[in-house]
Amino acid sequence: DSGVTQTPKHLITATGQRVTLRCSPRSGDLSVYWYQQSLDQGLQFLIQYYNGEERAKGNILERFSAQQFPDLHSELNLSSLELGDSALYFCASSVEMGGAEAFFGQGTRLTVV
Amino acid sequence: SQKIEQNSEALNIQEGKTATLTCNYTNYSPAYLQWYRQDPGRGPVFLLLIRENEKEKRKERLKVTFDTTLKQSLFHITASQPADSATYLCALDDTGGFKTIFGAGTRLFVKA
Repeated sequence: DSGVTQTPKHLITATGQRVTLRCSPRSGDLSVYWYQQSLDQGLQFLIQYYNGEERAKGNILERFSAQQFPDLHSELNLSSLELGDSALYFCASSVEMGGAEAFFGQGTRLTVV
Repeated sequence: SQKIEQNSEALNIQEGKTATLTCNYTNYSPAYLQWYRQDPGRGPVFLLLIRENEKEKRKERLKVTFDTTLKQSLFHITASQPADSATYLCALDDTGGFKTIFGAGTRLFVKA
């Protein structure tokens, strides 16, 4: 158990809908990262937060947004969903902004039908 | 363009042998490089981190090297076991350490 909790584990929704994925980092970790992993694809970096502030952005679509709350949990919002958004979404946390090992959650498997 | 390349073909080895996985990168200047293990449908698990001023790092049966001149890291698993079968990902920092970018991974199969 990495100590990172992601909910829900599975999500099935229709095209055009909006969903929210939730991540609770390990106790004491200030950094939260979001990654997308499509079938047989590598991990694509989406966005990073550190202590409530956005620190780095990857190729995150404009339809996607995220935030980190004062209690350090984070949410990833995906809107106007398309079939191609079906993927595993991972959250990871680490103590520092960078240069430290990251602990990954078990992921949320999103299926858009 | 920036690239992280790992062997896309699966690596098949016999139990007890040493597995060597390669990670090459282009147009990055990472301060550190990490290796993770990922099993199907599960989140990656951290294995080792090596910094730019370190040539080699070891942890039990694992060894990582980091050559900033060749822009390459090698990951070795000695005395491999079937339980080592998984996908191994290398990752490096970008943008001053704020972004951790992953390679696509190499699948390792260890046969008994």
